[in-house]
Amino acid sequence: QKEVEQDPGPLSVPEGAIVSLNCTYSNSAFQYFMWYRQYSRKGPELLMYTYSSGNKEDGRFTAQVDKSSKYISLFIRDSQPSDSATYLCAMSAMNSGGSNYKLTFGKGTLLTVNP
Amino acid sequence: EAQVTQNPRYLITVTGKKLTVTCSQNMNHEYMSWYRQDPGLGLRQIYYSMNVEVTDKGDVPEGYKVSRKEKRNFPLILESPSPNQTSLYFCASSTPGEQYFGPGTRLTVT
Repeated sequence: QKEVEQDPGPLSVPEGAIVSLNCTYSNSAFQYFMWYRQYSRKGPELLMYTYSSGNKEDGRFTAQVDKSSKYISLFIRDSQPSDSATYLCAMSAMNSGGSNYKLTFGKGTLLTVNP
Repeated sequence: EAQVTQNPRYLITVTGKKLTVTCSQNMNHEYMSWYRQDPGLGLRQIYYSMNVEVTDKGDVPEGYKVSRKEKRNFPLILESPSPNQTSLYFCASSTPGEQYFGPGTRLTVT
């Protein structure tokens, strides 16, 4: 079983739709959960960062972490054509040296929001 | 402006010709890393560095070298590139939990 599983899509939705993107993971040591957005021909950019379980909201974006189910989600409300991108989940654990720099990425979900 | 820069952005080369991709960050971060991104395989870490003169292998280090002589720079070296190293490469610079990526270098080895 891969450490992080993410459905690659593609996912195509109409403008204004609510989008749900998900990842599952197997490593129970993961404590830090991130979502990155990657536009075509660009580097990934950090969108949301969550520690442990719970929800975090930032504008139209909500990140959810369910550690008991080893499942994380990103919700996009009122989706816009400018949200069209690949969304990557990423996770990390605190290592024996006390740092959590090492990220494990999902393979990304390609999202297209149609006007 | 906080940023990670990479050069070159695009490179076409031939098998066996040594090349270096430069990476520089202006955020005074200690941790830097290199990734390659391939269709269907996602982002995979090649090498990382916790600080000056401290480097270690990531998940796919074969065929690559790195150095960290200064805090801001972390070049990726391909001593003898092969076609299977054709990929999109990203440098990243990090605070704990937050990685900032460069714009990418698209490398083609023929």
